[in-house]
Amino acid sequence: QVQLVESGGGVVQPGRSLRLSCAASGFTFSSYRMHWVRQAPGKGLEWVAIISFEGSNEYYADSVKGRFTISRDNSKNTVYLQMNSLRAEDTAVYYCAKGGTGWTNDDWGQGTLVTVSS
Amino acid sequence: NFMLTQPHSVSESPGKTVTFSCTRSSGNIASNYVQWYQQRPGSAPTTVIYDDNRRPSGVPDRFSGSIDTSSNSASLTISGLKTEDEADYYCQSYDTSTVVFGGGTKLTVL
Repeated sequence: QVQLVESGGGVVQPGRSLRLSCAASGFTFSSYRMHWVRQAPGKGLEWVAIISFEGSNEYYADSVKGRFTISRDNSKNTVYLQMNSLRAEDTAVYYCAKGGTGWTNDDWGQGTLVTVSS
Repeated sequence: NFMLTQPHSVSESPGKTVTFSCTRSSGNIASNYVQWYQQRPGSAPTTVIYDDNRRPSGVPDRFSGSIDTSSNSASLTISGLKTEDEADYYCQSYDTSTVVFGGGTKLTVL
């Protein structure tokens, strides 16, 4: 079955960088778009970014554009989120999600917590 | 960009039927698929409805989805409510270059 396992979360100071990884298994990774979605403590879901099947197209939420970069390595079945210039408001659980029809999601990982604090 | 508006909370009794709404602020609700996710406390979201009205395998047929172009909204209906249905429910759709989630509806079954 589909498995998505995020890693790389932790505590980081404002202005610093962090890279999240999401290892995928149980499906043909290169045939699906992949997303990152985040959830701040006690808040709702917020879409962060999407990457195309082969990695040539990326789109971002306005709140992270210019600071975050989504990428993928289809040989490793892994999607990444490079987060630079982190702010306190980036504190959240970050989920990777397998793309569904169009730009929807279907399967989700369990998430990794990122805390931006001095 | 558009918004998806959901009621903040809904309460209903076990065995009853509840319907959640998700209203799209601009653009046609039928232009892009709507997805519904269930999130129990402390857990990741799971898909309960995809492509407007389709159920993933393993989701009981008590869950159904629909769209209404006259009100530019989507709906999730849960019949025969069980206490295990108590959770947050989010709608999601997309447009050119963006994905949008509704703010979520907290369902209390009491």
